[in-house]
Amino acid sequence: EPEVTQTPSHQVTQMGQEVILRCVPISNHLYFYWYRQILGQKVEFLVSFYNNEISEKSEIFDDQFSVERPDGSNFTLKIRSTKLEDSAMYFCASSQQGAAGNTIYFGEGSWLTVV
Amino acid sequence: AQSVTQLGSHVSVSEGALVLLRCNYSSSVPPYLFWYVQYPNQGLQLLLKYTSAATLVKGINGFEAEFKKSETSFHLTKPSAHMSDAAEYFCAAASDGSGNTGKLIFGQGTTLQVKP
Repeated sequence: EPEVTQTPSHQVTQMGQEVILRCVPISNHLYFYWYRQILGQKVEFLVSFYNNEISEKSEIFDDQFSVERPDGSNFTLKIRSTKLEDSAMYFCASSQQGAAGNTIYFGEGSWLTVV
Repeated sequence: AQSVTQLGSHVSVSEGALVLLRCNYSSSVPPYLFWYVQYPNQGLQLLLKYTSAATLVKGINGFEAEFKKSETSFHLTKPSAHMSDAAEYFCAAASDGSGNTGKLIFGQGTTLQVKP
């Protein structure tokens, strides 16, 4: 069964450093997402991406964050200057269509620890 | 703003007992509703979803959920728990609002423990 894959599974970084989290969405999917889950809190939407541009973003997704689809398969989340509060599990996800009700498929997540 | 509430952050049942995980949504327009499961060290896996076709939705692994508009609920049930059901369960909603976006709003999750 096709799946969303994410790398790295766990990354430890120093505060202020740049981090890039990578994802390979399901191949025939057109919509891509990043969510995050801070330990003990809800899974939160960060951003959705379609046709090479951001279609929606949350208040969390400030100027420190950016997303990119550098080639036909990868989808990345960059955090420019990490803060302690960026420590979380980051989930990449994808779907065939973007409308509400369509199934969103999630990857296994990337644990980011900022020290 | 839409919200999803899962009552009980931790539920413990005996193997073979009924599983009931509660989820309530807050929305003036009934949203699309989902249950995801996360097994240890794995990603979020879709169990089932409600898209207004039928109020009783059957999912994988013997789980089902019933949409009740009058109660704004979408509780997840399984008649007989199995040890392998131990995991974290997330209820989520997607609103077909003006943006027609697939963005999911999650509840806080419920950890299901199954005792032998």
